[in-house]
Amino acid sequence: DAKTTQPNSMESNEEEPVHLPCNHSTISGTDYIHWYRQLPSQGPEYVIHGLTSNVNNRMASLAIAEDRKSSTLILHRATLRDAAVYYCILRFWNSGNTPLVFGKGTRLSVIA
Amino acid sequence: DGGITQSPKYLFRKEGQNVTLSCEQNLNHDAMYWYRQDPGQGLRLIYYSQIVNDFQKGDIAEGYSVSREKKESFPLTVTSAQKNPTAFYLCASSQREGQNYGYTFGSGTRLTVV
Repeated sequence: DAKTTQPNSMESNEEEPVHLPCNHSTISGTDYIHWYRQLPSQGPEYVIHGLTSNVNNRMASLAIAEDRKSSTLILHRATLRDAAVYYCILRFWNSGNTPLVFGKGTRLSVIA
Repeated sequence: DGGITQSPKYLFRKEGQNVTLSCEQNLNHDAMYWYRQDPGQGLRLIYYSQIVNDFQKGDIAEGYSVSREKKESFPLTVTSAQKNPTAFYLCASSQREGQNYGYTFGSGTRLTVV
């Protein structure tokens, strides 16, 4: 799987939007972009994934650049419960159960 | 509710002892995985299994062993050969087929060697 680059940490005020960036300049046309987050002392949880078009679900939105070399996870209104480490992961479309490879992610702090 | 259960939540082991971490899922998922996480680090893959009675080594399999005798269960044994076993261990499962299926993780077992 191609590599991703994320900032080590970010900070946000409560109830403000948060934009978490991810660079993946070596992405191939068949790589999906997945996001997971890990709350303190818990296992990661799936957040969202996409290929080319922007995606929305109840947790977040995923904005994908037109050239697909970067993407942004958007939390529309940060809450204290959103404080976590966020992982951006690329997966080949036909990876089957080739295991996910986690980097260090971005640690998001939310200030009340 | 379907989910994945890891036990125990905290485990203490004396040096030189083997210890087995439990992972059970009732999601009917084919694939299961074990990851290790050290403080401030990402997850590293230990072993994974795509189907019953089959498993593959991950990036850091040395000092660990697994079995997959039942679809629902994927226990991990940390042997005395593992030089630095103190860590947070995470088990996950997923559907076998399909890019669009995410992983479901357990809540982890924190192992401390004393």
